[in-house]
Amino acid sequence: DAKTTQPNSMESNEEEPVHLPCNHSTISGTDYIHWYRQLPSQGPEYVIHGLTSNVNNRMASLAIAEDRKSSTLILHRATLRDAAVYYCILRGTLTDSWGKLQFGAGTQVVVTP
Amino acid sequence: DAGITQSPRHKVTETGTPVTLRCHQTENHRYMYWYRQDPGHGLRLIHYSYGVKDTDKGEVSDGYSVSRSKTEDFLLTLESATSSQTSVYFCATVTGLAGGPGNNEQFFGPGTRLTVL
Repeated sequence: DAKTTQPNSMESNEEEPVHLPCNHSTISGTDYIHWYRQLPSQGPEYVIHGLTSNVNNRMASLAIAEDRKSSTLILHRATLRDAAVYYCILRGTLTDSWGKLQFGAGTQVVVTP
Repeated sequence: DAGITQSPRHKVTETGTPVTLRCHQTENHRYMYWYRQDPGHGLRLIHYSYGVKDTDKGEVSDGYSVSRSKTEDFLLTLESATSSQTSVYFCATVTGLAGGPGNNEQFFGPGTRLTVL
């Protein structure tokens, strides 16, 4: 299965942008890049996903490298509520044929007031 | 929010007793999943269901069984609970895979914290 590599933790000041990197050098052409986050004592929640083009939604932006071997999740203005573990996950025909998710360790984001 | 509830939310039980956790969804989603989350391991898939009475094993299925007799309910059973099954259990659903297995959102329930003494 295609794997992802993320830093263990990142720190940011409140109201500043946060750029979370993810490396996925063995990504296949049909793999989507997904981001989920998990706030303390809650279940994971969907953040964003994309295939080739950059994506924006109300929560974040996803920037995908041209060769698709890396991507960056961008939180434009971090708030204290954004303190969570962020997971970068590849999903596609081979990695999860029944919609299953394979979680790694993720990146712990700490937001400082 | 896909209308996913889990019950009970917390449970303490003793080794050797049977335990059933329930996941209930109100959105008529076809696919449902059970994950467990332990410190140092992240979330791992236990079992999943791709329709009523259609289930299959995930990566950590030993000691667990599941049943799905209705679209809205997915039950996880520990036939004889062990201390190694102390964990937080999450249920999840996806709306469908028509857009491709990678092109959809997965929705998670609030979790059940299970302690086996």
